Amino acid sequence: QVQLVESGGGVVQPGRSLRLSCAASGFTFSNSGMHWVRQAPGKGLEWVAVTWYDGSNKKYADSVKGRFTISRDNSKNTLYLQMNSLRAEDTAVYYCARGLNSGGWSGMDVWGQGTTVTVSS
Amino acid sequence: QTVVTQEPSLTVSPGGTVTLTCASSTGAVTSDYYPNWFQQKPGQAPTALIYSTSNKHSWTPARFSGSLLGGKAALTLSGVLPEDEAEYYCLLYYGGAQVFGGGTQLTVL
Repeated sequence: QVQLVESGGGVVQPGRSLRLSCAASGFTFSNSGMHWVRQAPGKGLEWVAVTWYDGSNKKYADSVKGRFTISRDNSKNTLYLQMNSLRAEDTAVYYCARGLNSGGWSGMDVWGQGTTVTVSS
Repeated sequence: QTVVTQEPSLTVSPGGTVTLTCASSTGAVTSDYYPNWFQQKPGQAPTALIYSTSNKHSWTPARFSGSLLGGKAALTLSGVLPEDEAEYYCLLYYGGAQVFGGGTQLTVL
């Protein structure tokens, strides 16, 4: 079955970096756009970034532009989120989600269970 | 900054019908925004319900339907069950970036 498993979360100090991973299985990963979405404690969902099926096009939310980088390794069926210059407001559960098409522009269907990132000194 | 607005909370009786809406600060929502709807229960990851305005996923119960209504995207639940109590989020596409609404807490009472 289609499965997404996030990892790499943890506690990190402000200004430091962290890389999240999302391992995909049960579908042809290289055909799908992929998203990162986050949810701060007690808050709503916030779309973070999307990458096209081949990594050729990427879009970011303004709140993370210039600090976060989405990437993928289709040979490893893995999606990444490199997070630099982390701030307290980046504290959230981070979900990866499969896009509905190769560019991910029409939404997403399957979600992982999330990994928690806490930015605190 | 683009803002997507949903009703903060709604209450419906079991067996009743309720419509949740999703508005864009940029103007009327059309099918070009590819409205999506998601359900999230406490402590769980979101579950996709509707994509591209009105299309259901294979797992979406028949009582959920999506549409455009008065310049907004809409999610209608007919024959509401107690298990439908949850937070509901819409998602709109803005030519690359995508934006979630703030969510609607649906109470079944």
